[in-house]
Amino acid sequence: GNSVTQMEGPVTLSEEAFLTINCTYTATGYPSLFWYVQYPGEGLQLLLKATKADDKGSNKGFEATYRKETTSFHLEKGSVQVSDSAVYFCALSVGAGNMLTFGGGTRLMVKP
Amino acid sequence: DAGVIQSPRHEVTEMGQEVTLRCKPISGHNSLFWYRQTMMRGLELLIYFNNNVPIDDSGMPEDRFSAKMPNASFSTLKIQPSEPRDSAVYFCASRRTDTGELFFGEGSRLTVL
Repeated sequence: GNSVTQMEGPVTLSEEAFLTINCTYTATGYPSLFWYVQYPGEGLQLLLKATKADDKGSNKGFEATYRKETTSFHLEKGSVQVSDSAVYFCALSVGAGNMLTFGGGTRLMVKP
Repeated sequence: DAGVIQSPRHEVTEMGQEVTLRCKPISGHNSLFWYRQTMMRGLELLIYFNNNVPIDDSGMPEDRFSAKMPNASFSTLKIQPSEPRDSAVYFCASRRTDTGELFFGEGSRLTVL
């Protein structure tokens, strides 16, 4: 079956620190990979995605590279801001018509 | 463009009462999903529809939960009777067919006393 494993949080960083949130997956087939972000009191929204090996998704200073050899899709940002405090979900989908499989989410807290 | 619209945003009810949550997906999206989110269990998929037809309801906790999608622009999730352990945030999401991206509503926070 399909599954996504994320590092457990919370992750607490000071402003301008470097961020890495690890994500690994198992999939039957060739998945597309996603990172969603959930700000307090809101629903999830797509942050970035990658659809094939070695693709790099990027948005709002966040990046993640689809690594097929290590089945990973780690999220990185060079300098976090307080406004990045949120819960981050890694997810995969096999086939455009199939549902997303989400990881458990990682809470990020950025302190001024 | 309007996103996924859910109502009510907040509901507080007493155990045993019927609860109905509503969702209007984004026009043109063919798939609709209901999720439940709690601190203990995280994000759980309850049921999803393709072209208004339920495809997978294996995540529905028990017979007290039911979901319908009478047309492409409306879906309901009903809990009858409600119990305190149903307290959670319930999210509706619709999927853009060409990219597979999910668009979530802002959620309905349910508290069952």
